[in-house]
Amino acid sequence: GDSVTQMEGPVTLSEEAFLTINCTYTATGYPSLFWYVQYPGEGLQLLLKATKADDKGSNKGFEATYRKETTSFHLEKGSVQVSDSAVYFCALSGGNQFYFGTGTSLTVIP
Amino acid sequence: NAGVTQTPKFQVLKTGQSMTLQCAQDMNHNSMYWYRQDPGMGLRLIYYSASEGTTDKGEVPNGYNVSRLNKREFSLRLESAAPSQTSVYFCASSEVPGGALRNEQFFGPGTRLTVL
Repeated sequence: GDSVTQMEGPVTLSEEAFLTINCTYTATGYPSLFWYVQYPGEGLQLLLKATKADDKGSNKGFEATYRKETTSFHLEKGSVQVSDSAVYFCALSGGNQFYFGTGTSLTVIP
Repeated sequence: NAGVTQTPKFQVLKTGQSMTLQCAQDMNHNSMYWYRQDPGMGLRLIYYSASEGTTDKGEVPNGYNVSRLNKREFSLRLESAAPSQTSVYFCASSEVPGGALRNEQFFGPGTRLTVL
């Protein structure tokens, strides 16, 4: 069945460091791919998405490219800020459901 | 436009007690979902409703029941709570069921449930 595997955390970075969080997926058909972010004590918010191969989703300095050949959707940011500290979830939509990874906790220290 | 709302925000139950978690959305979405979030487990789907009048089991349905009351509301019921049901519960909605092109989910703020 459909599934998402993402990099285990926690990840700790210094402010202005480069961020990569790896995500790979297994799916039948042509799923849409998402990154969601969860700040402490809150629900998940959509960060970015891509709906077909080679699409790049971007928002707030974060980017991810839908790579069909490697079944990946890695999240990147060139320079993280303390305010980016959160848990990040990779997800895909297929069938009648959405499938989420286990989440990667990011802490950015000044 | 409130999006997805959930009540209550916090709840403490004793083993064997029952309760209903309420969820409502004002985006005219067809599909609604209930997830639980546990440390190291990510989000696990309990039940979903692809459209008004339908409900289906997700990955972890045991111990729960759901009701799609109307297009706006989707409730989750614990008939006899157990400590293993201590978790954070999230309701979500989407315009159409998961796999449709350009579909995305919108989440409520969560209900933090402790079962003693």
